[in-house]
Amino acid sequence: EDQVTQSPEALRLQEGESSSLNCSYTVSGLRGLFWYRQDPGKGPEFLFTLYSAGEEKEKERLKATLTKKESFLHITAPKPEDSATYLCAVQAGGSTLGRLYFGRGTQLTVWP
Amino acid sequence: GAVVSQHPSWVICKSGTSVKIECRSLDFQATTMFWYRQFPKQSLMLMATSNEGSKATYEQGVEKDKFLINHASLTLSTLTVTSAHPEDSSFYICSAGVRTYNEQFFGPGTRLTVL
Repeated sequence: EDQVTQSPEALRLQEGESSSLNCSYTVSGLRGLFWYRQDPGKGPEFLFTLYSAGEEKEKERLKATLTKKESFLHITAPKPEDSATYLCAVQAGGSTLGRLYFGRGTQLTVWP
Repeated sequence: GAVVSQHPSWVICKSGTSVKIECRSLDFQATTMFWYRQFPKQSLMLMATSNEGSKATYEQGVEKDKFLINHASLTLSTLTVTSAHPEDSSFYICSAGVRTYNEQFFGPGTRLTVL
């Protein structure tokens, strides 16, 4: 059964304190791994897609990496506005634009 | 990025009534739309996949007669919760994408409360 596990469930950081969020997955034939940011009461906002082990992508203070079993979302020198829930999702084999399997998310709080 | 809208953003209804939620892709034509529900502090659970002009594919355990999905055009899909009950209260989110680009763009969600 395809599974996505995110850790930690919640993370509190002081502004400027870098850290990493983890997403481990077991899926038959990974087609893509997606990171989203979700603010309370809103829909997920797309951040990154990673397709193969060794791939890395960056956007401002965020950097996503992928191995054959897990992905990390590194947050460098976070700011309070980075506070949100970060969701990881995987897409298994088959055609493009297939269903996504989501993890439960990591709730990040950055305090000044 | 592509923009997806949902309407209404929140709705309160009485038990037994039906509620329709609209999902629109504003600046692109979506070949596929997905409907999710999310309970507090839980992950997104896929309810159904909808392709323009064809019947929706429902996930196991989702009642297709209760959650009616219509994808009449490349920019609009609707989810109708029929005979709503309090246990249907949830956050409903749609996403849309184009088959040639492997990305889904999410709407802002609709908070449904059934009294």
